[in-house]
Amino acid sequence: DAKTTQPPSMDCAEGRAANLPCNHSTISGNEYVYWYRQIHSQGPQYIIHGLKNNETNEMASLIITEDRKSSTLILPHATLRDTAVYYCIVNGGNNRKLIWGLGTSLAVNP
Amino acid sequence: GAGVSQTPSNKVTEKGKYVELRCDPISGHTALYWYRQSLGQGPEFLIYFQGTGAADDSGLPNDRFFAVRPEGSVSTLKIQRTERGDSAVYLCASRQTGGTEAFFGQGTRLTVV
Repeated sequence: DAKTTQPPSMDCAEGRAANLPCNHSTISGNEYVYWYRQIHSQGPQYIIHGLKNNETNEMASLIITEDRKSSTLILPHATLRDTAVYYCIVNGGNNRKLIWGLGTSLAVNP
Repeated sequence: GAGVSQTPSNKVTEKGKYVELRCDPISGHTALYWYRQSLGQGPEFLIYFQGTGAADDSGLPNDRFFAVRPEGSVSTLKIQRTERGDSAVYLCASRQTGGTEAFFGQGTRLTVV
């Protein structure tokens, strides 16, 4: 079973920040938090990952709480092309297999 | 460069038939994964290859499912005596040694009628 809990759906206005929460209260000390997204009819796409420090790349920022029991993915300026299902996954560093939950379906509205 | 390629993109087969699904990973990627995804669900892990060997096949649902990667590059997922419940999108992903990002193909949509 997935070790993460996410809201099933969220809406965001185009141009605004999208903040997607994820709970992972049973995360182990050596497990990373990964985020992937899946646009309709496409394969999943990696976004970002982190262990305990906040991370930022060209796609998004990842904020992990100090106790590591939850995290937030931030898309700073959402566009219509960001409409997708976003998956939060916890995984050991070897990334051998990813256990996926149901994700959050993000709708970016004009 | 080329991404992960999966063929065919769509496959319709009759119940009881045998099917093969092909995955061409990104060149040089040693790790290869197969997942399957049913409508409205997240991907479900099937098998993981490191090089030519299956490092973890714990996700294969039963002995009708088998996968090979004989030369450490292309992989084939084989399903015998297909059942309607096998209908899903089968996803392949590859990752380079030491890398953290898995690159996914577009998937093969299998429909068993």
